[in-house]
Amino acid sequence: DGGITQSPKYLFRKEGQNVTLSCEQNLNHDAMYWYRQDPGQGLRLIYYSQIVNDFQKGDIAEGYSVSREKKESFPLTVTSAQKNPTAFYLCASSIDNLNTEAFFGQGTRLTVV
Amino acid sequence: ILNVEQSPQSLHVQEGDSTNFTCSFPSSNFYALHWYRWETAKSPEALFVMTLNGDEKKKGQISATLNTKEGYSYLYIKGSQPEDSATYLCASLDTPLVFGKGTRLSVIA
Repeated sequence: DGGITQSPKYLFRKEGQNVTLSCEQNLNHDAMYWYRQDPGQGLRLIYYSQIVNDFQKGDIAEGYSVSREKKESFPLTVTSAQKNPTAFYLCASSIDNLNTEAFFGQGTRLTVV
Repeated sequence: ILNVEQSPQSLHVQEGDSTNFTCSFPSSNFYALHWYRWETAKSPEALFVMTLNGDEKKKGQISATLNTKEGYSYLYIKGSQPEDSATYLCASLDTPLVFGKGTRLSVIA
């Protein structure tokens, strides 16, 4: 089945450690996105990529890094520079970045202790 | 940063009631408006992608309208059922999608 997969579902890390969240899609989509959700907030864009080997900062990119070495994969690293990393992270993809629907993974809940 | 507003923030209705929510977005440089349904413990799923002023789309008992000149879209649910309980998100395309905070709907049996 085609889809978009995030792993792990739950992740715990100690403060000061970097952590990488996985996002893989087999939909042959060019565009991929990372969003963050906090209680009472909407989905806020962290980074997006319109094509392999290219990515752009979103509204809240500070403290995060990404790579897009393969079309299928768009991992997100939460670095120790991110001041409030505990949140729910959603990955999405779409055929392109224009007026086509986005498909979402099931999310990763990151808790930093 | 594009500002997308949704109202109400939450809504409780009885089974069988019809309801509607609003999504407001800047009307300048409009490209597309998306509606998603996000059920608890699941991924958000697309309901509609709307691009033209006056667009009306329907999926089962759910429908949506779009007014790009005044910058709003309405989502209607006719005869709500408990399985319609979810958070409904709208998003405006500004390379890429900018989401509102959502409307959380609870349908009470």
